[in-house]
Amino acid sequence: DVKVTQSSRYLVKRTGEKVFLECVQDMDHENMFWYRQDPGLGLRLIYFSYDVKMKEKGDIPEGYSVSREKKERFSLILESASTNQTSMYLCASSLRGSRQYFGPGTRLTVL
Amino acid sequence: AQKITQTQPGMFVQEKEAVTLDCTYDTSDPSYGLFWYKQPSSGEMIFLIYQGSYDQQNATEGRYSLNFQKARKSANLVISASQLGDSAMYFCAMREYNEKLTFGTGTRLTIIP
Repeated sequence: DVKVTQSSRYLVKRTGEKVFLECVQDMDHENMFWYRQDPGLGLRLIYFSYDVKMKEKGDIPEGYSVSREKKERFSLILESASTNQTSMYLCASSLRGSRQYFGPGTRLTVL
Repeated sequence: AQKITQTQPGMFVQEKEAVTLDCTYDTSDPSYGLFWYKQPSSGEMIFLIYQGSYDQQNATEGRYSLNFQKARKSANLVISASQLGDSAMYFCAMREYNEKLTFGTGTRLTIIP
């Protein structure tokens, strides 16, 4: 079974802090994705990666950056967290042309 | 224009009844894929069903079927014989040429005993 894990289920940070959200998949998938989910807005793509060290902006990249140094790991970075980044963050991975598998999500609160 | 539209924010359905969740999409790409995911209160996204734009037949997976009407650009999810465990958020999503998924805003389905 494909497993996508995220470093935390719940996270509370203060405004201005640097925040790292980690995602690891164990099925050698080329593609990895970071979404945020907000009520009434569905899931919106922040960044995605086709391969190691490759990244592309999604629909809402402002305020975020990503890192993919190894194929199995994709990190989302909030350089200076703000209250409007309070949200549920979902990581996903997929083989090319195949469906996405999601992690359990990280509920981030920025105070 | 919205790429994926789910017009039903919430639905209440009696247990054992069939339910149809609406999804319309907009794309000029001839090759695309349509997905439905279920998100229970636990938050995990569970893949339900997939339909490719070139597939001749509607996709089915157990109690789930996808009513694919290409000319109308609609991809409605049909759940037969609903169960209490079907209560969840349901998201329709579309993948175009670049591997990205675009999601609708979701429908919250509540099954009433």
